[in-house]
Amino acid sequence: NAGVMQNPRHLVRRRGQEARLRCSPMKGHSHVYWYRQLPEEGLKFMVYLQKENIIDESGMPKERFSAEFPKEGPSILRIQQVVRGDSAAYFCASSPTGTYIQYFGAGTRLSVL
Amino acid sequence: KNEVEQSPQNLTAQEGEFITINCSYSVGISALHWLQQHPGGGIVSLFMLSSGKKKHGRLIATINIQEKHSSLHITASHPRDSAVYICAGLNSGGSNYKLTFGKGTLLTVNP
Repeated sequence: NAGVMQNPRHLVRRRGQEARLRCSPMKGHSHVYWYRQLPEEGLKFMVYLQKENIIDESGMPKERFSAEFPKEGPSILRIQQVVRGDSAAYFCASSPTGTYIQYFGAGTRLSVL
Repeated sequence: KNEVEQSPQNLTAQEGEFITINCSYSVGISALHWLQQHPGGGIVSLFMLSSGKKKHGRLIATINIQEKHSSLHITASHPRDSAVYICAGLNSGGSNYKLTFGKGTLLTVNP
């Protein structure tokens, strides 16, 4: 049973480009969470999604960031027009229905040049 | 506002020592995750507990609901235990899926 899969592991973008981060939850999990870890800071909640629904996006920056979890395929965190301050590790976690025990992926490290 | 405080921030030990990392949390937290993160690495969920004690190998986690305090213990520590250990509180109430994270404890175990 594969764990939470995130790709790419490392992503380099120039300022102004778009970054797309993918997260495939564990098999049977229908809840996905995205977290951001800025350099020298703790993890912060960004968004919680269920299939085709955004449940809570209170931690998402108001502009340039969006997330989706379609009926088929992975969850996508999209950052448009990246800036240097977006450089961070982005972690995805998933949980099955009925519990909020979260299983984390290996993360995507985004570097903006 | 839910809060999670960890101590110590940094911890250095010799191989074989018994390690304790502490976590205090505020009202509004219903359960705790203990997570492990190796430098540059992913996050591994070690335990989630809402009462009592859990054990897995050399790792033991305890929680005291009345005192709002949890501890992670590592027995017979080994250099491969060197990592950041993060305590994360699961919110109670309406947003009971949301985790509030401590700042982490950097553990270094020397051979």
